[in-house]
Amino acid sequence: GNSVTQMEGPVTLSEEAFLTINCTYTATGYPSLFWYVQYPGEGLQLLLKATKADDKGSNKGFEATYRKETTSFHLEKGSVQVSDSAVYFCALSDRGGSEKLVFGKGTKLTVNP
Amino acid sequence: DTGVSQNPRHKITKRGQNVTFRCDPISEHNRLYWYRQTLGQGPEFLTYFQNEAQLEKSRLLSDRFSAERPKGSFSTLEIQRTEQGDSAMYLCASSALGGTNTEAFFGQGTRLTVV
Repeated sequence: GNSVTQMEGPVTLSEEAFLTINCTYTATGYPSLFWYVQYPGEGLQLLLKATKADDKGSNKGFEATYRKETTSFHLEKGSVQVSDSAVYFCALSDRGGSEKLVFGKGTKLTVNP
Repeated sequence: DTGVSQNPRHKITKRGQNVTFRCDPISEHNRLYWYRQTLGQGPEFLTYFQNEAQLEKSRLLSDRFSAERPKGSFSTLEIQRTEQGDSAMYLCASSALGGTNTEAFFGQGTRLTVV
């Protein structure tokens, strides 16, 4: 079945550091790929998405590129802020059918001033 | 519309009791999902509704779990004879079917503690 493997945390960075959170997936067909973020005390929010190979999703300075050849969707940000401290989840969904999401385990990011 | 609403936010119950959670999706969304999230894990899919029809159920959804969406609007998730292993965050999400934006919007969840 479909699955997502993401870098285990926690990750602790200083403000303005470069961030990479690795995510790889296993899926039949060509899924859509997502990064969700969960800020402390809040619900899951969609951060960015990509629906086909070589698409780049971007939002709030975060980027991720859908790499079919390496089955990866790594999350990057050039300069993190304290406000980026949260738990980040990589996820996929099959197109068609229920389009239910399959999530990775999450990576907790803490950014220190 | 203020987004997906879940009630209650927290529930503590004794083992063996029944509990029911409610989810009010975004009003124009015809798709509704339930997920369960345990500590240190990502959310896991439980079940899916398209309008009032329950179209998919995970193997995680034992016979003690039942979900309904009677009029294609709000949904309820009931757990009968709760067990300590049922302690988790229960998340509801909704999305639109078709169109250009099928993003799933999540509620803040109901945290269940079984003692």
